[in-house]
Amino acid sequence: DAGVTQSPTHLIKTRGQQVTLRCSPISGHKSVSWYQQVLGQGPQFIFQYYEKEERGRGNFPDRFSARQFPNYSSELNVNALLLGDSALYLCASSPRGLGQPQHFGDGTRLSIL
Amino acid sequence: KQEVTQIPAALSVPEGENLVLNCSFTDSAIYNLQWFRQDPGKGLTSLLLIQSSQREQTSGRLNASLDKSSGRSTLYIAASQPGDSATYLCAVNPYNQGGKLIFGQGTELSVKP
Repeated sequence: DAGVTQSPTHLIKTRGQQVTLRCSPISGHKSVSWYQQVLGQGPQFIFQYYEKEERGRGNFPDRFSARQFPNYSSELNVNALLLGDSALYLCASSPRGLGQPQHFGDGTRLSIL
Repeated sequence: KQEVTQIPAALSVPEGENLVLNCSFTDSAIYNLQWFRQDPGKGLTSLLLIQSSQREQTSGRLNASLDKSSGRSTLYIAASQPGDSATYLCAVNPYNQGGKLIFGQGTELSVKP
């Protein structure tokens, strides 16, 4: 079975631009979460979606938004990019999310010039 | 506020040595604790998940323990190999926060041949 897939793998943007990152969960998983990992640190929680509804939001500005589609795939959007948004963006899926193992994709490496 | 700490930040051992990685957390109200492995520039690979009602989990050369009352978990790696070199992250899933994971900073392990 395919694992969590994320696209693109790498992305280079300039300050002020907007970016959309995509995630396809493991088949049968209805919960998708997004994390930001800055170099040398542990991942930080951004959003969780379950059955197309937002279940949780981390301490990130409103420039960050996400949504989940009927097929349970998800997009993360970041507007007005800043240099500090440069990071590895990770997507995780689980059957229901609550108290269950999270399975991660390989991430999207976002570089802001 | 839940905080997760991993000590040491980096560890270098000779091949064949048994080793222990430490993880501590400040709030015992958790569903579970999960250990992950991360290779450079890659996503997270789940190693072991311990539910809050469990004391330990084993997979091959890996054994993870959980002492919720003291807020501690350890990951024991037996007979270490150069292929074990990676960053190891622990994460807790707190109560009443959906499927959100709170991560430690990670321990970077280097196993020398």
